[in-house]
Amino acid sequence: GAVVSQHPSWVICKSGTSVKIECRSLDFQATTMFWYRQFPKKSLMLMATSNEGSKATYEQGVEKDKFLINHASLTLSTLTVTSAHPEDSSFYICSARAGLANTGELFFGEGSRLTVL
Amino acid sequence: DAKTTQPTSMDCAEGRAANLPCNHSTISGNEYVYWYRQIHSQGPQYIIHGLKNNETNEMASLIITEDRKSSTLILPHATLRDTAVYYCIVRVAHNAGNMLTFGGGTRLMVKP
Repeated sequence: GAVVSQHPSWVICKSGTSVKIECRSLDFQATTMFWYRQFPKKSLMLMATSNEGSKATYEQGVEKDKFLINHASLTLSTLTVTSAHPEDSSFYICSARAGLANTGELFFGEGSRLTVL
Repeated sequence: DAKTTQPTSMDCAEGRAANLPCNHSTISGNEYVYWYRQIHSQGPQYIIHGLKNNETNEMASLIITEDRKSSTLILPHATLRDTAVYYCIVRVAHNAGNMLTFGGGTRLMVKP
């Protein structure tokens, strides 16, 4: 199946710093990517929808200035957690749809675990 | 997307079939049933999906009741590596966003 890769897989940072997480579709072009976050023992919560060449659409309650999303190419979307604080510590997961036509199948990255000290 | 109800957790003996139920009594005619699973500290993995007919692939079988109000995911010979959280999701396949809304899922523990 199609491959979605995230980098880094884990990161530890100091409070107040910014962290960038990359999501790449390795063998297909993704016009749309989705960013989720997941707290321990909880389900995935959609944060935003990332569209190539346009501004991301954020879910209610998600601060767009806090979580900057850039989708500059058909194979790369980035999530930047700005001025990170301990409460931003979470598992961040991206997903992408292969191709323009709906295949009914989304592919997920391996996830990126952020720990803010 | 319609809401689903799944048991919080289930146990299964290694080598036996794991049958994971899902209720989706408010499913619409154009909504599909999707199953994903998430192994600890990994991203979700697509398993299978179907509309009304039963489906089978190399990973699992999906049995959908005739009224489509419930379904069962079957792992025919569960292994320890099948221990994961299994998510049942109903969604319109051709919606504009294609994002997935995850519920609580079923935490399947496969025991030796």
